[in-house]
Amino acid sequence: EPEVTQTPSHQVTQMGQEVILRCVPISNHLYFYWYRQILGQKVEFLVSFYNNEISEKSEIFDDQFSVERPDGSNFTLKIRSTKLEDSAMYFCASPPTGGSYNEQFFGPGTRLTVL
Amino acid sequence: KNEVEQSPQNLTAQEGEFITINCSYSVGISALHWLQQHPGGGIVSLFMLSSGKKKHGRLIATINIQEKHSSLHITASHPRDSAVYICAIHYGGSQGNLIFGKGTKLSVKP
Repeated sequence: EPEVTQTPSHQVTQMGQEVILRCVPISNHLYFYWYRQILGQKVEFLVSFYNNEISEKSEIFDDQFSVERPDGSNFTLKIRSTKLEDSAMYFCASPPTGGSYNEQFFGPGTRLTVL
Repeated sequence: KNEVEQSPQNLTAQEGEFITINCSYSVGISALHWLQQHPGGGIVSLFMLSSGKKKHGRLIATINIQEKHSSLHITASHPRDSAVYICAIHYGGSQGNLIFGKGTKLSVKP
């Protein structure tokens, strides 16, 4: 069964450093999402991506964040200058083709720790 | 503001018990999801509902659009059902992104 994969599974970085989180969605999916979950809190929407551009973003997704689909398969989330409060679990997700309002397949997540 | 409220926040049950987790929401939706988050953090989609009722194995999900309420039921609960159950909505004005509840942590004791 196809699955969404994410790398790395755990990333430790120093405050102020740039990090890139990678996701390989299920092929043929068109909509992609990044979510984050701070430890002990609810999952929050960051950004949605369709047709190689951002379709919607939350207040959390400020200028420090960017997303790309550099090669047609990988889907990356970049944090330019990490802050302590960026420590969280980051999930990518995508629904099957047919529309954005559909069941979403989640990756296993990347745990980001900012020291 | 919390568009999605779940209750209870924590739930402990004995193996075999019938379990109900509730979700209320305050905005117009196009669909509601029930998700399961394992202790390791992974999230699995259980159901997507826009009306009525769905059943998969021992899990049943219902939704009442007029009352803005959904329930997730687990029959004959088992320790392997222990997880966090999350209600999430597709609200009408979104591009398909989900708004999540805080989750219900279920622990089923043998």
